Amino acid sequence: QKEVEQNSGPLSVPEGAIASLNCTYSDQGSQSFFWYRQYSGKSPELIMFIYSNGDKEDGRFTAQLNKASQYVSLLIRDSQPSDSATYLCAVTVTFMNTGFQKLVFGTGTRLLVSP
Amino acid sequence: GAVVSQHPSRVICKSGTSVKIECRSLDFQATTMFWYRQFPKQSLMLMATSNEGSKATYEQGVEKDKFLINHASLTLSTLTVTSAHPEDSSFYICSARGGGAGYTFGSGTRLTVV
Repeated sequence: QKEVEQNSGPLSVPEGAIASLNCTYSDQGSQSFFWYRQYSGKSPELIMFIYSNGDKEDGRFTAQLNKASQYVSLLIRDSQPSDSATYLCAVTVTFMNTGFQKLVFGTGTRLLVSP
Repeated sequence: GAVVSQHPSRVICKSGTSVKIECRSLDFQATTMFWYRQFPKQSLMLMATSNEGSKATYEQGVEKDKFLINHASLTLSTLTVTSAHPEDSSFYICSARGGGAGYTFGSGTRLTVV
């Protein structure tokens, strides 16, 4: 089982609609969850992070976390063509023996917003 | 905000030669540096993790003798791809963590081995 799973897409939505991106993870001990946006040929850029169960809103973006279901999602309201990109879910995984953390990425979901 | 400078952004090298990629944290101390590789249409795969002054920890399947990582100071980490071959052509990205800055990514290096 992969540590972080996402639907590769593409997810196509019309301009102005809500885009819903989903992610599941396997490590029950994961504490931090991140959403990154990556344009082709560029490095990922952080959209938002969430640590606690529930919703976290930042502008047009809302992250939702459900640790019991090991599920994290990202909602993009009023989607714009400029939002078209690959969205990467990332989760911290902790090494039990050292307590050290690393950031593991899902395969990403490609979002296409049509004008 | 926290900035990580990664150089070069693009490099083309001949098969069999070595290439060094450099990442510097400009305004914070990077206690941990992560190196990722990304092939076309795939996600970022963690190659190795390095803590300042310690040997790097490599992910399973990553050759430590081929991908040399040095993290000699709190602001500089380097990845050297030794005896590069065409299959090493990829997008290499560093990410630094430290000083409450979370995970800050470099701009990436596109390596092409011909």
